[in-house]
Amino acid sequence: SAVISQKPSRDICQRGTSLTIQCQVDSQVTMMFWYRQQPGQSLTLIATANQGSEATYESGFVIDKFPISRPNLTFSTLTVSNMSPEDSSIYLCSVAGGKDTQYFGPGTRLTVL
Amino acid sequence: QQQVKQSPQSLIVQKGGISIINCAYENTAFDYFPWYQQFPGKGPALLIAIRPDVSEKKEGRFTISFNKSAKQFSLHIMDSQPGDSATYFCAALGGSNYKLTFGKGTLLTVNP
Repeated sequence: SAVISQKPSRDICQRGTSLTIQCQVDSQVTMMFWYRQQPGQSLTLIATANQGSEATYESGFVIDKFPISRPNLTFSTLTVSNMSPEDSSIYLCSVAGGKDTQYFGPGTRLTVL
Repeated sequence: QQQVKQSPQSLIVQKGGISIINCAYENTAFDYFPWYQQFPGKGPALLIAIRPDVSEKKEGRFTISFNKSAKQFSLHIMDSQPGDSATYFCAALGGSNYKLTFGKGTLLTVNP
């Protein structure tokens, strides 16, 4: 399985600011994903991070709010822009490893005041 | 529209007992059904997964039972231990887009 790290592990931010979350994988992977997990809730896919092209966003998520970069096959960033308290969540990156299998990073716990 | 329904929302089991978590899906295009285990403060970890061509898969104390005609699958944890206390998510995936659809999760507490 892939080893995935995320930075920061947690942060407390002020309303109106932006935070960039990094996801690093120990091997080259074709597909990377960003999820949001609101407190006590399930996981919701934000977008698929495509290497060399724009991310593919799910319904309800837009690029202006959650810009994503994927400069190479081992790294991606998710920015949460113009934050509000409703953005307080755990943000998780995942990678596809092998046929259908998907592995998750440890998550970034974001609190917006 | 919730495509994967998971129950119960929470479950309390005594040490040594059997924990059973159920999921039902609607989309017949789903062809891969993983279960994830998540401890507080951690990311979900892949526990076990099954495809529709088999009715059961066992790995150690964890077993998935799959009923294709009923569009249901379940996780059985035998000899449950306090260390199994976590949130369990079922999920489903179909097609080539790798998009996982998650159930709402089950908080399992195993009492010593």
